[in-house]
Amino acid sequence: EDQVTQSPEALRLQEGESSSLNCSYTVSGLRGLFWYRQDPGKGPEFLFTLYSAGEEKEKERLKATLTKKESFLHITAPKPEDSATYLCAAFTQGGSEKLVFGKGTKLTVNP
Amino acid sequence: DADVTQTPRNRITKTGKRIMLECSQTKGHDRMYWYRQDPGLGLRLIYYSFDVKDINKGEISDGYSVSRQAQAKFSLSLESAIPNQTALYFCATQGTSTDTQYFGPGTRLTVL
Repeated sequence: EDQVTQSPEALRLQEGESSSLNCSYTVSGLRGLFWYRQDPGKGPEFLFTLYSAGEEKEKERLKATLTKKESFLHITAPKPEDSATYLCAAFTQGGSEKLVFGKGTKLTVNP
Repeated sequence: DADVTQTPRNRITKTGKRIMLECSQTKGHDRMYWYRQDPGLGLRLIYYSFDVKDINKGEISDGYSVSRQAQAKFSLSLESAIPNQTALYFCATQGTSTDTQYFGPGTRLTVL
């Protein structure tokens, strides 16, 4: 069964305190690994897609990396406006192409 | 204007009522999806459509039906709503030349 697990479930950081969110996946065939940001009461907002092990992508204070078993979302010197839930999703290939989501990591950055 | 819109944004209804949630998009994408989100369970796929004549069940389709009225419109119906269908519902779209799904703002549905 395809599965995506995110850890930790919740993370509290002080402004400027860098950290990483983890996404481990077990899928029959990975076509791509996605990261989304979701603010309360809103739809997920696309951040990154990673396709192959070793690939990295950056956007402002966020950097996403991918290995054969997991992905990390590194947050460097976070600000309060980075507070949100970060969702990881694996796009599976094969018989039924679909996005399999993790449960998310709720990030709170205190000023 | 938003590329993916959902109506209504909030709905409170009673057990047994028929409910329709609507999704419209201006992105020109062929593929459309319906998900529900519950606290602690993440996003789960209900139905998806790769074009107007192609409708597929997702992992939790029981109790739901869909209609793809046009390339830009995809509706989700709850034929007889029950309390455990209380959730956030999201529509998403995807182009055929990209793997990225773009989400609407969501509909918060409460079934009493």
